[in-house]
Amino acid sequence: NAGVTQTPKFQVLKTGQSMTLQCAQDMNHNSMYWYRQDPGMGLRLIYYSASEGTTDKGEVPNGYNVSRLNKREFSLRLESAAPSQTSVYFCASLKMPGQGTMSSGELFFGEGSRLTVL
Amino acid sequence: ILNVEQSPQSLHVQEGDSTNFTCSFPSSNFYALHWYRWETAKSPEALFVMTLNGDEKKKGRISATLNTKEGYSYLYIKGSQPEDSATYLCAHRTGNQFYFGTGTSLTVIP
Repeated sequence: NAGVTQTPKFQVLKTGQSMTLQCAQDMNHNSMYWYRQDPGMGLRLIYYSASEGTTDKGEVPNGYNVSRLNKREFSLRLESAAPSQTSVYFCASLKMPGQGTMSSGELFFGEGSRLTVL
Repeated sequence: ILNVEQSPQSLHVQEGDSTNFTCSFPSSNFYALHWYRWETAKSPEALFVMTLNGDEKKKGRISATLNTKEGYSYLYIKGSQPEDSATYLCAHRTGNQFYFGTGTSLTVIP
């Protein structure tokens, strides 16, 4: 059981380049999330998807697009990367109550993708 | 955007000491309060999820309490061990969104 898998783990881009971060979960969870983590800022929500076919903006969506391709996969795209998007990106999925988990569900995180934009 | 604050930002304790830290959150629109443990080079892992005012949860030497009326939660570690060294995150859930604090970084000195 792989859980939440993110690729790539590391990426260096030049300003203006585009790239897509991939996230897949094999736990049949409905909701998936993309966060960025910056020093002193904590985890900030970029976009989330409550279910297949739906996406919503979080706190810091500017400069990003997302696609919920199917129930398993939720990708994050940077169309024109900027140095301000240098960060560590985490994908997460939400396990709902009633499936042997804590009440209100719990988030399962990928291992993170470290992105540097020069 | 909900303001979730954690204190202290970092903490160094001796092995065997007991310690606690605080998470404060807006008391309106409360759905749940989550605690996560985040070790270096790993992913955050869920410790506790609390939904009711007065909730107390315990897992081994770690416990947490919740006060939704005043908007705070405490995490306690009894008899800290070096393996407890990690960043402890709290997250306020409202609807489908989770708002995280910046975490408390705990270092337990052997």
